[in-house]
Order: sequence, then C-alpha cells, then structure tokens
Amino acid sequence: ETGVTQTPRHLVMGMTNKKSLKCEQHLGHNAMYWYKQSAKKPLELMFVYNFKEQTENNSVPSRFSPECPNSSHLFLHLHTLQPEDSALYLCASSQDPGSQETQYFGPGTRLLVL
Amino acid sequence: DAKTTQPPSMDCAEGRAANLPCNHSTISGNEYVYWYRQIHSQGPQYIIHGLKNNETNEMASLIITEDRKSSTLILPHATLRDTAVYYCIVRGSGTYKYIFGTGTRLKVLA
Repeated sequence: ETGVTQTPRHLVMGMTNKKSLKCEQHLGHNAMYWYKQSAKKPLELMFVYNFKEQTENNSVPSRFSPECPNSSHLFLHLHTLQPEDSALYLCASSQDPGSQETQYFGPGTRLLVL
Repeated sequence: DAKTTQPPSMDCAEGRAANLPCNHSTISGNEYVYWYRQIHSQGPQYIIHGLKNNETNEMASLIITEDRKSSTLILPHATLRDTAVYYCIVRGSGTYKYIFGTGTRLKVLA
C-alpha cells in the first residue's frame, strides 16, 4: 500500500465510449503524474501536475484529457479511444516535481479498448 | 531514451543474495540512481536511491562504483515474492522525469 489509490482497477470500453480514470493520493503530496505502460514497452510519462497546474503534456493525443481539481485527486478522461490505447495506466505522486523527491505509484488501471 | 543498461533477465535461488547490475556510463554529477520494481501488473514500487555513496534500507542495498558509471542492487535474502521486473533509473536533481527502460526480470527459484 503506497498511499496512492486508483479506480477502477480494470476497465473495458468501446471506441465510442467515454470513461474516466480516478487517482487519489493520501500522502499530502503536491505533484501528480499519469503514466502509460503498453504491453512489453517501458513506462511513458503522459502528464504532470504541480499544485493543480499542468506542467507537462508529453505529446499525448487529445482523446486523453486530464483533470486535477486539487492536489489529492487526478482524473484521466477518455473518449473515442483506439484499440492501441489498451494499456496499464499508472498514477504517481511526489512531494514536489523537482529535487530528489521520490514518486510513489498506484496499482494502475488496466484498460482494454475494443 | 533510457540512460541505463540492464540485463533482460536473471534467476536467483530462494534465500540467496540477488545482485542486479546496472550500467549508466553517461551519468552526470548531479544525477541520482533510483531503483524500482514492478510485480506483475502492479504499479512500480520504490526500493532505494543514491548519488555516490552506498545506501542500505530495509529492502535492499545499493552499491555505486567510485566512477559512478555502474551500480548494483542487492537483495540480501531473495524470496519468491521478490520475483519482479527491476528498473534502474538515472534522474537529475531538479527534474521529475523518470525515464524507464525495459528493466531486469528477476525470477526467484524455490
């Protein structure tokens, strides 16, 4: 248990659906991250939020829309996804995005797009 | 691209020490070495990190060579639950970016 929770843990959706992934951290951290891990590929950073402000968008397609209403919650809104978007989506948090602050990861949401 | 090179897989007998190597020959002076592991289909778990001194915590020890071009993660008494993919990451001070490579798949054998 890292103090970072993600829901749902598993999600199956069609290409025309709209769904949202939720992440919550109970560590009092100020920075939150979304990562994508496709099968047999390294983790890829998608978005970074610091004090609720987006500070990084790593060329992510607009069908992925993040939202950070406060420092404890992070959402990833999904719409009109493609089958190649099927992956493990991981949320992480850290005290702040700089320095040597360690990132702590949630368990991930395994997404299957049909 | 990842700044580290790790063997793709290793086996270790249960109860023995697991020594996982990592090469980071282009590391610069302010870059830290981090180790994480990922048990199947779970989120990466932080293990340990260091700059130039050897480090030890309740999970593992990190040995960094004097020239800092390589390091070794040591799990002193491997158990079956240590079977996972282990990632060595080089990260600069003042940057949040972790660049994950493909890691080493450690299999602990009974």
